Amino acid sequence: EDQVTQSPEALRLQEGESSSLNCSYTVSGLRGLFWYRQDPGKGPEFLFTLYSAGEEKEKERLKATLTKKESFLHITAPKPEDSATYLCAVQYNQGGKLIFGQGTELSVKP
Amino acid sequence: EPEVTQTPSHQVTQMGQEVILRCVPISNHLYFYWYRQILGQKVEFLVSFYNNEISEKSEIFDDQFSVERPDGSNFTLKIRSTKLEDSAMYFCASSPNAREDFGPGTRLTVL
Repeated sequence: EDQVTQSPEALRLQEGESSSLNCSYTVSGLRGLFWYRQDPGKGPEFLFTLYSAGEEKEKERLKATLTKKESFLHITAPKPEDSATYLCAVQYNQGGKLIFGQGTELSVKP
Repeated sequence: EPEVTQTPSHQVTQMGQEVILRCVPISNHLYFYWYRQILGQKVEFLVSFYNNEISEKSEIFDDQFSVERPDGSNFTLKIRSTKLEDSAMYFCASSPNAREDFGPGTRLTVL
């Protein structure tokens, strides 16, 4: 049973066209929800950790939000360099494993 | 900014051979992990390591796999007898607590 589901699987945007990526999770007892960026052939690059419903974090053109059942990664006025796969992961306990979704592949065209 | 490093970047081996993948975690981190990603699939947890012992392992991490922290800085993953299905990117990660920092990965190709 999938515990972390990301949608859409792929998203194509024009430069400057804002949008949102979704991560829904079915588990209870969540300690933290993590967002990562992954470029082809590279390791995941940490973006955010969210701990409680209502929490928001921002970094440049990215803003992550969390509810009790899902998280959104909002991308405002994206640039081609934002093209990557965005991964969501959940963690149950301190120092525990991350359970990843399958990712959303974002492509931003100039 | 400190980074997790991994060597080699690419390892090609014959089925049945032993491989050792090496990682240098960030020095003041407490938790260490190995994950793998088969091409086109999710990142999957293999094993976590804390206080010089395995704290959790997945069902993938069977008797063919082992981990060591031999000298207080390096963290290794050994696969004793590789199979074709072990071909994947292997990522090491370390964590101080609130985030996990991943290395660049080792691409393992089993022929």
